[in-house]
Amino acid sequence: GQNIDQPTEMTATEGAIVQINCTYQTSGFNGLFWYQQHAGEAPTFLSYNVLDGLEEKGRFSSFLSRSKGYSYLLLKELQMKDSASYLCAVRAWGAAGNKLTFGGGTRVLVKP
Amino acid sequence: EAQVTQNPRYLITVTGKKLTVTCSQNMNHEYMSWYRQDPGLGLRQIYYSMNVEVTDKGDVPEGYKVSRKEKRNFPLILESPSPNQTSLYFCASSFSRGGPSTDTQYFGPGTRLTVL
Repeated sequence: GQNIDQPTEMTATEGAIVQINCTYQTSGFNGLFWYQQHAGEAPTFLSYNVLDGLEEKGRFSSFLSRSKGYSYLLLKELQMKDSASYLCAVRAWGAAGNKLTFGGGTRVLVKP
Repeated sequence: EAQVTQNPRYLITVTGKKLTVTCSQNMNHEYMSWYRQDPGLGLRQIYYSMNVEVTDKGDVPEGYKVSRKEKRNFPLILESPSPNQTSLYFCASSFSRGGPSTDTQYFGPGTRLTVL
């Protein structure tokens, strides 16, 4: 099976930077996704990493180290609307094809 | 507009009364799945389907059934709901399960189910 860990909650100030860490243990690693989910709403895709390194998309960046089983999502210039849960999801190849497993999510609260 | 729709969005029912939550996608996706989301447990996969008439169990299939008679629809059936099935349910679809590297899942808006 897979084990995915991320902090439960983080608080940051508007305009600041927050880094959400995700560690995982899996076999057949085939990509890591980050999703944003506002309360009561569906998750929406933020970023994808399959090779080591940093992927930047505007204010959001995601980093992956496959050897360490580690990823982080970096949110810069925080805005109030960034208050949401951020889900780390690992895709792994198995006998029945790819499978996506989600971590418990990190709730980020942005304060004025 | 490309989307995944679910109905109903909210449902309160009683133990043992059969119910169906519908899911439909208009993106011609092959792969569809159902998740439940509970506080502290994250999204857990219930069932998935890799194509028409091809379905398989996810991590938490007990108490649920699915069918995939048409590519666009993937209903979730609770034959005899129990209170421990009170949860937020999401349907999701993607082009394939083992497809392009960047293939991501698109989620429906969610169905909040309460079983009394």
